Amino acid sequence: AQSVTQPDIHITVSEGASLELRCNYSYGATPYLFWYVQSPGQGLQLLLKYFSGDTLVQGIKGFEAEFKRSQSSFNLRKPSVHWSDAAEYFCAVGHNNAGNMLTFGGGTRLMVKP
Amino acid sequence: DGGITQSPKYLFRKEGQNVTLSCEQNLNHDAMYWYRQDPGQGLRLIYYSQIVNDFQKGDIAEGYSVSREKKESFPLTVTSAQKNPTAFYLCASNPLGGDTQYFGPGTRLTVL
Repeated sequence: AQSVTQPDIHITVSEGASLELRCNYSYGATPYLFWYVQSPGQGLQLLLKYFSGDTLVQGIKGFEAEFKRSQSSFNLRKPSVHWSDAAEYFCAVGHNNAGNMLTFGGGTRLMVKP
Repeated sequence: DGGITQSPKYLFRKEGQNVTLSCEQNLNHDAMYWYRQDPGQGLRLIYYSQIVNDFQKGDIAEGYSVSREKKESFPLTVTSAQKNPTAFYLCASNPLGGDTQYFGPGTRLTVL
């Protein structure tokens, strides 16, 4: 069965600092990987996705993620965090490129210090 | 504006009552999903439907029921059999063969 682990429940960074959110997955085949962001009390917004090809993918709001098959990881990064990035971030793995049957990690809550 | 609508945003019910959460989309998407979100547990799939008049159980379907009579609508009923119904409920959709699920704003259900 597929699974997703986000080891960090909470992360606090200073505004302007770099950010890396960790995601590890378990999946038998080639994974389809997603990062979503959720503001408090809101739905989820897609930041970026990986299906195949270049292992470094660019997303919205200046985020990027790198797929590393050897480490079963898909970590999310941003070079300089803004206060508006404070939110909860979810990594997910999909069965196939139809986006069906997503399995989500437990989420990482990001707080940004001024 | 195309999107997914969930209503109401906040819902309060007494223990033992059934309650139905609404999810409507005007994106012409074939597939629709219901997730439950609890703090620290991410999202867990309750039910999904890939076509009208057909739906399948997800990982935590017990105590829930759904219908899919129209392509644009996928209501979720939380029954009195659901032991711990207080949670944030999210609806999502994607076109069949599409690669991304799109989410509604969610409904927070509190059972008193």
